[in-house]
Amino acid sequence: EDQVTQSPEALRLQEGESSSLNCSYTVSGLRGLFWYRQDPGKGPEFLFTLYSAGEEKEKERLKATLTKKESFLHITAPKPEDSATYLCAVQAGSNSGYALNFGKGTSLLVTP
Amino acid sequence: DTEVTQTPKHLVMGMTNKKSLKCEQHMGHRAMYWYKQKAKKPPELMFVYSYEKLSINESVPSRFSPECPNSSLLNLHLHALQPEDSALYLCASSQGTGTVTYEQYFGPGTRLTVT
Repeated sequence: EDQVTQSPEALRLQEGESSSLNCSYTVSGLRGLFWYRQDPGKGPEFLFTLYSAGEEKEKERLKATLTKKESFLHITAPKPEDSATYLCAVQAGSNSGYALNFGKGTSLLVTP
Repeated sequence: DTEVTQTPKHLVMGMTNKKSLKCEQHMGHRAMYWYKQKAKKPPELMFVYSYEKLSINESVPSRFSPECPNSSLLNLHLHALQPEDSALYLCASSQGTGTVTYEQYFGPGTRLTVT
């Protein structure tokens, strides 16, 4: 059975304190790994898609990386507006082919 | 533009009411999705429409009835809901489905409360 596990569940950072969020996965035939940001009461906002091990993508203070077993979302010098829940999701060949299997998310709080 | 719109933003309904949630996208996407999200949980897939045909129904109770009038619109008809159906209902769309991997873009959601 496909599994997606995110850690930590919650993370509190001081403004400017860099850190990483982890998403480990066990799937049959990874087709894509997705990172989303979700603010309270709102829909997830698409950040990145990673397709194969070794791939990296960047957007402002965020950088996503992918290995054969896990993905990291690195946050460099975060600001309070980066506070949100970050969701990881995988699309695998073992399921319908387009259903997203989400992790439970990491709730990030960045304090001034 | 990667915008998916949903109406209404908030909905309060009694257990005997009939209501509908609406979703619209103008990105030319051919796949649309309904998800349900409970507080502090990840989204759970309910339905997938691909090229206006229902392709996935994740064992959702019949009190939820999806409809795809055209490639830009997706409705979710609600009838005789239970209080445990209270949740954030999210609509999403993607370019397509199948052998190519496409990211899904989500709308802002409809916060549903069943009393």
